[in-house]
Amino acid sequence: NAGVMQNPRHLVRRRGQEARLRCSPMKGHSHVYWYRQLPEEGLKFMVYLQKENIIDESGMPKERFSAEFPKEGPSILRIQQVVRGDSAAYFCASSPQNREGTTEAFFGQGTRLTVV
Amino acid sequence: QKEVEQNSGPLSVPEGAIASLNCTYSDRGSQSFFWYRQYSGKSPELIMSIYSNGDKEDGRFTAQLNKASQYVSLLIRDSQPSDSATYLCAVKRTARQLTFGSGTQLTVLP
Repeated sequence: NAGVMQNPRHLVRRRGQEARLRCSPMKGHSHVYWYRQLPEEGLKFMVYLQKENIIDESGMPKERFSAEFPKEGPSILRIQQVVRGDSAAYFCASSPQNREGTTEAFFGQGTRLTVV
Repeated sequence: QKEVEQNSGPLSVPEGAIASLNCTYSDRGSQSFFWYRQYSGKSPELIMSIYSNGDKEDGRFTAQLNKASQYVSLLIRDSQPSDSATYLCAVKRTARQLTFGSGTQLTVLP
């Protein structure tokens, strides 16, 4: 059973370009979280999705950032018109659906985005 | 007040000692509590989950939960240099985000 797969592992973009980060959850998992982490800092929540639905996007910047988790295919975090401040590690975690909230989330290896 | 608070450390313990990591949270509706370990440059790795008051043991790790005090802790017995990492406390309630503390950096000295 493969773990959470993120790609690419490293992504370099010039200022103003678009970055697309992909996350394939573990088999059987229908929920995905995205986090951003700057060097020597903690994990900052961005968005929490289930298939075809955004559950909580309270951590997403209002502009340039969007996320989706379609019925088929990976979850995508999209950053438009990247700026140097977007350079960070972006982690995805997945969990199975569980109405009681007792669910464990597992992380992918992350995508390191560098904006030059 | 931060939703999840941890002492940032660094916390240093000698090899073979018990390392004690603490976490408090503000949301009384929280139902699930997790400890993750993150090595420098790597992704977080789940090491413990706890849902009920009391202790939960797994090998050298013991998680302790006190919902009345809104407090969760992690004990690492017989600490090894390979345990040196940042330990992240995470808290969740149903249909809400998984919220992390800022982490405690642990160093186990040989």
